[in-house]
Amino acid sequence: EVQLVESGGGLVKPGGSLRLSCAASGFTFSNAWMSWVRQAPGKGLEWVGRIKSKTDGGTTDYAAPVKGRFTISRDDSKNTLYLQMNSLKTEDTAVYYCTTVRRFAFDIWGQGTMVTVSS
Amino acid sequence: DIVMTQTPLSLSVTPGQPASISCKSSQSLLHSDGKTYLYWYLQKPGQPPQLLIYEVSNRFSGVPDRFSGSGSGTDFTLKISRVEAEDVGVYYCMQSIQQWTFGQGTKVEIK
Repeated sequence: EVQLVESGGGLVKPGGSLRLSCAASGFTFSNAWMSWVRQAPGKGLEWVGRIKSKTDGGTTDYAAPVKGRFTISRDDSKNTLYLQMNSLKTEDTAVYYCTTVRRFAFDIWGQGTMVTVSS
Repeated sequence: DIVMTQTPLSLSVTPGQPASISCKSSQSLLHSDGKTYLYWYLQKPGQPPQLLIYEVSNRFSGVPDRFSGSGSGTDFTLKISRVEAEDVGVYYCMQSIQQWTFGQGTKVEIK
């Protein structure tokens, strides 16, 4: 069964840092492009960033609101995706979803992990 | 940035009746490779989104054939031929020709 399980969410103060993880199973993680998408409470969906597979260069791309503050990385030996979030702002409060990227769409989603940025 | 605009923002439908959601993009989603990078998602209450339609009109694996997508360029439509109770939730269109952006969402409820 294809599965993505996020972890690492929690409460953090403005200006703080947090690292999210996404454990993948049921597919060849090393071949997959991966992405993070977030959803603020009661709001719509917002793409955060994407990382390509290493065979496709392993490059990253980020949405403007998080560029320079967030970093996506992957450990193919552990089938795990990461999102390092620094200089957090209250507007970063959201559920963060890990997704696979196929045909330039997000086809498999995790259940999400909640990040709350508040003093 | 490409802006995606959905209408209506909410819809109340009698079971068995059809429903239609419009999505307009601020730029053409037709790529030089001939594909149009427009997708539809459904987020059921308390769940992550699920992919319904890819590249305008292709149903994703396991999606019932009562869901159909159409359109071209900047104007797109998702149709549900006969709404069922399990179709409630928020529908989003999304583009991926230039990074990724979503529409605001259309909340569908049952009358």
